[in-house]
Amino acid sequence: QVVESGGDLIQPGGSLRLSCAASGFTVSNIYMTWVRQAPGKGLEFIAVIFIGGFTNHADSVKGRFVISRDNSQNTLFLQMNSLRGEDTAVYYCATLSPGLTGGFDIWGRGTMVTVSS
Amino acid sequence: QSALTQPPSASGSPGQSVTISCTGTSSDVGRYNYVSWYQQHPDKAPKLIIYEVTKRPSGIPGRFSGSKSGNTASLTISGLQAEDEADYYCSSFLGTNNFPYVFGPGTKLSVL
Repeated sequence: QVVESGGDLIQPGGSLRLSCAASGFTVSNIYMTWVRQAPGKGLEFIAVIFIGGFTNHADSVKGRFVISRDNSQNTLFLQMNSLRGEDTAVYYCATLSPGLTGGFDIWGRGTMVTVSS
Repeated sequence: QSALTQPPSASGSPGQSVTISCTGTSSDVGRYNYVSWYQQHPDKAPKLIIYEVTKRPSGIPGRFSGSKSGNTASLTISGLQAEDEADYYCSSFLGTNNFPYVFGPGTKLSVL
């Protein structure tokens, strides 16, 4: 399973780091992602980290958000900088399995990020 | 970035079958057999119900099935039950040269 944390109320322009603690599997052996959902809206895939460490980010967050992992902590992170109102959403951590072409199969409960002054 | 199209709503009575479509292009749905479907109840995390167009994860009832024809993938729910009332999202792989996934806008299924 995965458990997200770190969500908060933050002012525009601020920074936040989300964490996703994994158990039952090793984060370095699986593709891991961040997916967000704005209030009342659909799902948006925003970042992925490949098994080999390569990362990719959606255009909407590129240059502001960075996905990373700490193998020793078995934890996935999302560093969020220059936050905007449109970043307000529930942020989910999810695994991709089997492999990059499978589905988003393990989801956490999500952590809420609210960007507002 | 690629965009998928889903009907905003669908409905059916208990026991009936309902099909939800997910239309893309020859660059996504039409090109790859890597379409997945998700069920999301209010205030809950999404749940994977179909992956790689037709495969069901362990624990997903056989009432849920997936298919694809050309650029359109479909999710069929047979023998509708009250607990099937939820939002359903499709997702398609876009290839490793692109940001690899996109979600459809979602379909709200009502069980009448």
